[in-house]
Amino acid sequence: ETGVTQSPTHLIKTRGQQVTLRCSSQSGHNTVSWYQQALGQGPQFIFQYYREEENGRGNFPPRFSGLQFPNYSSELNVNALELDDSALYLCASSLEGRDPLEQYFGPGTRLTVT
Amino acid sequence: ELKVEQNPLFLSMQEGKNYTIYCNYSTTSDRLYWYRQDPGKSLESLFVLLSNGAVKQEGRLMASLDTKARLSTLHITAAVHDLSATYFCAVDMLQGGSEKLVFGKGTKLTVNP
Repeated sequence: ETGVTQSPTHLIKTRGQQVTLRCSSQSGHNTVSWYQQALGQGPQFIFQYYREEENGRGNFPPRFSGLQFPNYSSELNVNALELDDSALYLCASSLEGRDPLEQYFGPGTRLTVT
Repeated sequence: ELKVEQNPLFLSMQEGKNYTIYCNYSTTSDRLYWYRQDPGKSLESLFVLLSNGAVKQEGRLMASLDTKARLSTLHITAAVHDLSATYFCAVDMLQGGSEKLVFGKGTKLTVNP
């Protein structure tokens, strides 16, 4: 167990809807990264939050947005859902500046868009 | 753009056999990570390789890193069924102030009795 939790475990949404996924970081970790893992693929970096601000973004459109809260829990929001958004969404917590980077992954949220 | 390539993508092997998974990456990095993922589960960290020539072993798995060749290997010795899973290598890179992991597509390993 990594101490990182995510909710919900599974989610089914309809195209065009909006969704919010939640992540609770490992205690003491101030950085959270979100990854999208499509079926049969490796995880792809969506963005990272550090001290409640976006700290880097991958190749994802603005309809993917996030929040990090003072207790370091975080949310991933996706607007105007598309079928291709169906994937496993993983959050990973880490400590900024730690070398090497040690990211602890949560169990993931499986999102299905119909 | 950093690219990470693994091969093979699918590997079916018999118990007791040895095999190697390869991970090539396209830009300079001296941090290489190996993860294991069971079906429907999250990523479990296996190894972190930090320098050229680094070698780490855990049980039947041994990982190595050659930063000059931009190549890491994950060697499986005397495979057992419990090793069946998907294995990912990842390289970290700095982008826009954040440090992120770039993953390969994974190698799905099936160990048959």
